Amino acid sequence: KAGVTQTPRYLIKTRGQQVTLSCSPISGHRSVSWYQQTPGQGLQFLFEYFSETQRNKGNFPGRFSGRQFSNSRSEMNVSTLELGDSALYLCASSLGLGTGGDSPLHFGNGTRLTVT
Amino acid sequence: KQEVTQIPAALSVPEGENLVLNCSFTDSAIYNLQWFRQDPGKGLTSLLLIQSSQREQTSGRLNASLDKSSGRSTLYIAASQPGDSATYLCAVIGRDSNYQLIWGAGTKLIIKP
Repeated sequence: KAGVTQTPRYLIKTRGQQVTLSCSPISGHRSVSWYQQTPGQGLQFLFEYFSETQRNKGNFPGRFSGRQFSNSRSEMNVSTLELGDSALYLCASSLGLGTGGDSPLHFGNGTRLTVT
Repeated sequence: KQEVTQIPAALSVPEGENLVLNCSFTDSAIYNLQWFRQDPGKGLTSLLLIQSSQREQTSGRLNASLDKSSGRSTLYIAASQPGDSATYLCAVIGRDSNYQLIWGAGTKLIIKP
């Protein structure tokens, strides 16, 4: 069974630009959640989508948004990039609601975003 | 506000030793606690998930315990191997944190051959 796939692996953007990251979950998984990982703040929850609906959201500004498609693939968008947005962005999929805690999370290898 | 702490931040031990990683949390009202490992440049791999009603979970050489009353969890690794070298993170889902995963900063483990 293929794992969680995140594309692209690396991105370099300039301040003020916008970026879209993609996540393909494990086949059959309906939940996709997104996380930001930085050396200073560690791992922080961004949001979770289940059956195309946002079910939970972390404490990030509105510049961070996402969506989920009918095939459970998810995209995350960051607009008006800031230097502080440089991070490893991880997505995870699970059978049920991941933040509900009943299903283990399966992570992709992440997208490394660098903002210059 | 739930806070998760992992001590030590880094640990280096010789191959073959049994070791314990610690995780503490400030609010005992948790739904579950999970342990993950992260290899350099990679995503996270789920190791063990302990529901709030459980005291421990085991998988191979790994055993995780949960003591909600004291706000502590330990991950026990038996007969450590160089392949166990990674960063180990714990995370809790809190009933009072809108069911969001709250993460510890991790313990970087190095197993010396």
